[in-house]
Amino acid sequence: DAKTTQPPSMDCAEGRAANLPCNHSTISGNEYVYWYRQIHSQGPQYIIHGLKNNETNEMASLIITEDRKSSTLILPHATLRDTAVYYCIVRVDSGGGADGLTFGKGTHLIIQP
Amino acid sequence: DVKVTQSSRYLVKRTGEKVFLECVQDMDHENMFWYRQDPGLGLRLIYFSYDVKMKEKGDIPEGYSVSREKKERFSLILESASTNQTSMYLCASSSHYEQYFGPGTRLTVT
Repeated sequence: DAKTTQPPSMDCAEGRAANLPCNHSTISGNEYVYWYRQIHSQGPQYIIHGLKNNETNEMASLIITEDRKSSTLILPHATLRDTAVYYCIVRVDSGGGADGLTFGKGTHLIIQP
Repeated sequence: DVKVTQSSRYLVKRTGEKVFLECVQDMDHENMFWYRQDPGLGLRLIYFSYDVKMKEKGDIPEGYSVSREKKERFSLILESASTNQTSMYLCASSSHYEQYFGPGTRLTVT
């Protein structure tokens, strides 16, 4: 799986949009971009994933650049409960879901009141 | 609501003891995983299973074994616990692209 680079930490004001960047310059054509987050003392939680088109769900939006070498996770209206470590993961989607995930160090997002 | 449960949140064991960590999922998922999480090292895959009685080694299987006798249950076994196995252990399950994680078991080996 391709390697990802994320800033170690970020701050965001409550109610504002949180934009978390991720670089994955060695991504292959069949690799997807996944985002998970881990709130303190809990297991990781899936947020969103995409291949090349922008994606949106009830939690967040994922913007992938046209060359696919970077992406941005957007939390449109951050709340204090969004304080967590956010992981950007690049992986081949086997379709059967039997592949393990490789988590890097992620970005510690702190939402300020 | 989907659920992955782990038998204990906190566990303290002595060096040399045999330790069983249990994980149960209620989503009828084929795939189940065991990870450990350590500060500065992130999550690392220990073992996974894609079907009953099937298992595959992950990145760090040494010192561990697993058992999957029923689809909903995946057990991690430390045959002889050592202090370097003190860690947070996370179980997950999936059927397609999304992995669902349990709350974790913090194991301390003294």
